[in-house]
Amino acid sequence: NAGVTQTPKFQVLKTGQSMTLQCAQDMNHEYMSWYRQDPGMGLRLIHYSVGAGITDQGEVPNGYNVSRSTTEDFPLRLLSAAPSQTSVYFCASSRGAGEKLFFGSGTQLSVL
Amino acid sequence: GNSVTQMEGPVTLSEEAFLTINCTYTATGYPSLFWYVQYPGEGLQLLLKATKADDKGSNKGFEATYRKETTSFHLEKGSVQVSDSAVYFCALREANNLFFGTGTRLTVIP
Repeated sequence: NAGVTQTPKFQVLKTGQSMTLQCAQDMNHEYMSWYRQDPGMGLRLIHYSVGAGITDQGEVPNGYNVSRSTTEDFPLRLLSAAPSQTSVYFCASSRGAGEKLFFGSGTQLSVL
Repeated sequence: GNSVTQMEGPVTLSEEAFLTINCTYTATGYPSLFWYVQYPGEGLQLLLKATKADDKGSNKGFEATYRKETTSFHLEKGSVQVSDSAVYFCALREANNLFFGTGTRLTVIP
């Protein structure tokens, strides 16, 4: 059972570079979301989607874009990376918005 | 607004000791409450949940009771094991968002 798969696991970027963090789930979940985890701040919601074609902003959306063209995939794009985006990023999905969340194993991103 | 405050760690206990991790919340409505656990190198996993006042969530020997009068959802376990070493997150859900606390790292020593 693959569950929620995130790639890459580690990434180092230079300031101003762009990249996409991939997230895929094979559970046919409608709800998908992206969190960042920073020391002393817990997890903060970046963007979420309640279904294909629908996305919305979370608590800290600035500097990130998302799209949801399929039920399975929910990529997170950094258009111009900044050192403040150094963090661990988690993708999560659930059957519905209020259901149990399943998390991926995380992407550790460093922006120099 | 919505927020979760949980006790700061780290917490270090000997095996078989009693565990309490405090969690209090602020919410505009009637949220559902959760405890998630993160083992080293992994994503978060749901440990237990409660959806209304006075509900008790339980799993793997852990328990937490939704106390509306004190806006609390403290996590307890009567006898911890080395395998319980992890980071524990309290969270509340309102509408489509899940709000997490800062996490409490628990280390259990043999």
